[in-house]
Amino acid sequence: AQSVSQHNHHVILSEAASLELGCNYSYGGTVNLFWYVQYPGQHLQLLLKYFSGDPLVKGIKGFEAEFIKSKFSFNLRKPSVQWSDTAEYFCAVNGNAGNMLTFGGGTRLMVKP
Amino acid sequence: DGGITQSPKYLFRKEGQNVTLSCEQNLNHDAMYWYRQDPGQGLRLIYYSQIVNDFQKGDIAEGYSVSREKKESFPLTVTSAQKNPTAFYLCASSTQLPSSYNEQFFGPGTRLTVL
Repeated sequence: AQSVSQHNHHVILSEAASLELGCNYSYGGTVNLFWYVQYPGQHLQLLLKYFSGDPLVKGIKGFEAEFIKSKFSFNLRKPSVQWSDTAEYFCAVNGNAGNMLTFGGGTRLMVKP
Repeated sequence: DGGITQSPKYLFRKEGQNVTLSCEQNLNHDAMYWYRQDPGQGLRLIYYSQIVNDFQKGDIAEGYSVSREKKESFPLTVTSAQKNPTAFYLCASSTQLPSSYNEQFFGPGTRLTVL
């Protein structure tokens, strides 16, 4: 069975600080990887996704993530966060034949103005 | 606008009562999903359906039931057998096309509180 770990449960940053949220998964085969974001009071929405090709994936709002296969990781990064990035971030993996996604426990990010 | 709607937004239930959460999508997606979101545990899959009149148990199906009589609708019933039903429930859908790479689209959620 596949599993996803997000080691940072809560992160507090000041505006303009750099962000890196960790995501590690356990699955031996080919994977599709996703980062979703849930802004306060809003729907869960897709931030970025990796299927194949360039392991550095760029998403919306200046976010990017790097797939490192040897480390089973898909960390999310942003060079300079804004107050509007305050949200909960979820890493998700699909590694089986169906459409199932396995989610990590989420990371709550608070950006202080 | 295309999307997923869930109703109600907030729901209160007395212990021992069954309650049904609504999920409707107009995205013409074949697959639909129900997740439960608890603090620190992320999203856990309750049930999913890849086609009308068919559905499968997810990781935490006990105490829940679903139906999929129409493509656009996937209601979830939280039964009295669910020991800890207070949670935030999210419905999602996805197309079955290979090019979709399993991207799921989510509704706004229903917060269920058992009194």
